[in-house]
Amino acid sequence: DQQVKQNSPSLSVQEGRISILNCDYTNSMFDYFLWYKKYPAEGPTFLISISSIKDKNEDGRFTVFLNKSAKHLSLHIVPSQPGDSAVYFCAALFGNEKLTFGTGTRLTIIP
Amino acid sequence: KAGVTQTPRYLIKTRGQQVTLSCSPISGHRSVSWYQQTPGQGLQFLFEYFSETQRNKGNFPGRFSGRQFSNSRSEMNVSTLELGDSALYLCASSLLRLAGAPGTDTQYFGPGTRLTVL
Repeated sequence: DQQVKQNSPSLSVQEGRISILNCDYTNSMFDYFLWYKKYPAEGPTFLISISSIKDKNEDGRFTVFLNKSAKHLSLHIVPSQPGDSAVYFCAALFGNEKLTFGTGTRLTIIP
Repeated sequence: KAGVTQTPRYLIKTRGQQVTLSCSPISGHRSVSWYQQTPGQGLQFLFEYFSETQRNKGNFPGRFSGRQFSNSRSEMNVSTLELGDSALYLCASSLLRLAGAPGTDTQYFGPGTRLTVL
């Protein structure tokens, strides 16, 4: 049972435009959500997070939106840059339990 | 400060064999978690060790086991390897228990061990 889902395995975006990566979850007990970025041959690196008590968190070019009623979160990257090409994982957390990851979305920024 | 290191980086085994992977966390970090990454399933949690004790376990068969030493280094063992065990195995370390506090950007991943089972 995949509790965290990223339904788009890949996404291509023109450089300079907005990239929107989506993530859906089924467990309403999740209280913290994170996005990780992964380059080939490297481990994931933390990008941005959001608590379930908020609906938006912004850090530079990266903004995460949370819609609890829809059990949906999204990561916006604007403007998109070539170095943003990577696989993006969303992850969810309940209390002090294990991180549950989505299957990832491969983002390709087209110059 | 050195990052999380994993050895070996690449490994090829045959079905039925067993394998041990090693993870050295960032100095001072006491929590080590293991994940399996496959193209179809993404990142799946295997287990977490904190202070030499397994604190959390994912939905993997008993062939997957691990341990943590007093210096926080951790090993993961897979016995009776199957073709489906081919994956990238990642370990992550954090100072405290697994990402439990607000601002949970405290989990740092190693580069992974690429295991291929033939």
